Amino acid sequence: AQSVTQLDSQVPVFEEAPVELRCNYSSSVSVYLFWYVQYPNQGLQLLLKYLSGSTLVKGINGFEAEFNKSQTSFHLRKPSVHISDTAEYFCAVSAIGGNNRKLIWGLGTSLAVNP
Amino acid sequence: DGGITQSPKYLFRKEGQNVTLSCEQNLNHDAMYWYRQDPGQGLRLIYYSQIVNDFQKGDIAEGYSVSREKKESFPLTVTSAQKNPTAFYLCASTLGGQPQHFGDGTRLSIL
Repeated sequence: AQSVTQLDSQVPVFEEAPVELRCNYSSSVSVYLFWYVQYPNQGLQLLLKYLSGSTLVKGINGFEAEFNKSQTSFHLRKPSVHISDTAEYFCAVSAIGGNNRKLIWGLGTSLAVNP
Repeated sequence: DGGITQSPKYLFRKEGQNVTLSCEQNLNHDAMYWYRQDPGQGLRLIYYSQIVNDFQKGDIAEGYSVSREKKESFPLTVTSAQKNPTAFYLCASTLGGQPQHFGDGTRLSIL
């Protein structure tokens, strides 16, 4: 079985500052990793994914994440945030080769970008 | 453009009433999912379906029912047995190993 822990429930940050949203996971098998963003009263939008290859993955809106297998982490980073990045961010994993493609979700991190 | 359409956007349920949330996709995805979202609890899986005429319970299926008669449609019924139905409901779909694609959600409230 897999589990996902997002280490911060809320992250306040000033505009143009860098930000890191932390995600750790546990799994007995290899996994795919995802970050999604949710704006108020909307569905989830994929920010980026790690399936294989380079451990540094770049996504939309200037976000990137690094897969660290030894630390079982997949932290999300952005060097300079904007007010429009204020949203809920979710980390998720799914087992490679799983027969149901279910995602295991973290509880989310609320990013608040202040002027 | 292809996508997932959830309707209605807002829905109100009276005590003892069943209500059905619609989810339609034109992405030709084979798998579809229903999630419930409550503040601070992330997404919890209600039901999922990998092929037409087949579906499986997720983690919180009690008080809910689904059908999958067509590939593009996966309606969710919130029955009167669900005593705390107020939540934001999200439908998603996927194909193969691709990431799940989400609709814009339906917010259900109790009158």
